[in-house]
Amino acid sequence: GAVVSQHPSRVICKSGTSVKIECRSLDFQATTMFWYRQFPKKSLMLMATSNEGSKATYEQGVEKDKFLINHASLTLSTLTVTSAHPEDSSFYICSAREPMRGRQETQYFGPGTRLLVL
Amino acid sequence: SQQGEEDPQALSIQEGENATMNCSYKTSINNLQWYRQNSGRGLVHLILIRSNEREKHSGRLRVTLDTSKKSSSLLITASRAADTASYFCATAFTGNQFYFGTGTSLTVIP
Repeated sequence: GAVVSQHPSRVICKSGTSVKIECRSLDFQATTMFWYRQFPKKSLMLMATSNEGSKATYEQGVEKDKFLINHASLTLSTLTVTSAHPEDSSFYICSAREPMRGRQETQYFGPGTRLLVL
Repeated sequence: SQQGEEDPQALSIQEGENATMNCSYKTSINNLQWYRQNSGRGLVHLILIRSNEREKHSGRLRVTLDTSKKSSSLLITASRAADTASYFCATAFTGNQFYFGTGTSLTVIP
């Protein structure tokens, strides 16, 4: 299957700093990528849909100015957590949609980035 | 919220037994997919079932879909200790976003 990578895998930062997380599709072009966050022992919550060359679409309740998304190329989307606070500590996971083959649609998930804000 | 719900939230079984997890969702879907997640790790795609399909098999996995009841089930037969993980259903809508269920934490006791 297709491969999606995330970098970094783990980050610890001080409150007030900004953190950038990269999501890359390694062997396919992804016009659409998705960002999720997951709290311990909880499900994944969709944060936003990242569209190459256009603005991201955010889910209700997700602050656009807090979570900046840039999808500058067909293989890279970045999520920047601005002025991070301890409540932003979470597991962030991206996925990339591989273009449709026949009638099937598949998303491939990255391994996740664990953010800890002190 | 479009998030689905899964039950049970936690399931503990002996190795060799079958494990069944259920997922319910709220609106019409294009397809439903099941994922597995080991603790603190990313998601692994297990199986996709389209809205016009009722049952699908993949190895020891069997998935059913009942669109009239807006529910799906995942059956893992002859479970192994290595099957211990959290299992999530994800529903895909017209916008191609995925909304995940609340998850079932499965523990298979050797």
